[in-house]
Amino acid sequence: TQLLEQSPQFLSIQEGENLTVYCNSSSVFSSLQWYRQEPGEGPVLLVTVVTGGEVKKLKRLTFQFGDARKDSSLHITAAQPGDTGLYLCAGDNNDMRFGAGTRLTVKP
Amino acid sequence: DTEVTQTPKHLVMGMTNKKSLKCEQHMGHRAMYWYKQKAKKPPELMFVYSYEKLSINESVPSRFSPECPNSSLLNLHLHALQPEDSALYLCASSQDGTAEKLFFGSGTQLSVL
Repeated sequence: TQLLEQSPQFLSIQEGENLTVYCNSSSVFSSLQWYRQEPGEGPVLLVTVVTGGEVKKLKRLTFQFGDARKDSSLHITAAQPGDTGLYLCAGDNNDMRFGAGTRLTVKP
Repeated sequence: DTEVTQTPKHLVMGMTNKKSLKCEQHMGHRAMYWYKQKAKKPPELMFVYSYEKLSINESVPSRFSPECPNSSLLNLHLHALQPEDSALYLCASSQDGTAEKLFFGSGTQLSVL
């Protein structure tokens, strides 16, 4: 089982601040996905990164896949209350197990 | 249609009851998944069906019994559950068994009394 570690586990910030959350593993992944989950709902896919070193941008969200394809980061610029949620990373390789998640709260 | 539909949305059952959770997708996906999520925890993989065959069973107790009648439907039959089985049960699908992109339903919030 490939273990995915996410940090920080909890993050509470003010609106307008920037933040970065991390997803790390000792295993190499063919692809890695980031999801956001809001209370009472299922996770929603934000992005899939495939190539080592890849950077993808989704409005104020920037995702990076490590060169060795073992880790990834999610950077949010000028966070808004609507960004509040549980951010989960998940690795491919014929199974789909999630990291423990980062629970983000953005206060107005 | 990019939805995964789960029913019921909420379920309360006693420990002697038998109930079923249902999941449906019409995206032509060939892999479907059951996850269990406890409060403030990430989803935990339970079962994976790929091309209607059970490909992964994460050592789930036999009181949970999955069924995949066809590629669009996934059921989870529940019998003699325990209070600690109370959780949000999420269904997901992906185009194939590589699980590169999962589409999730909104889940069934299950309470076992």
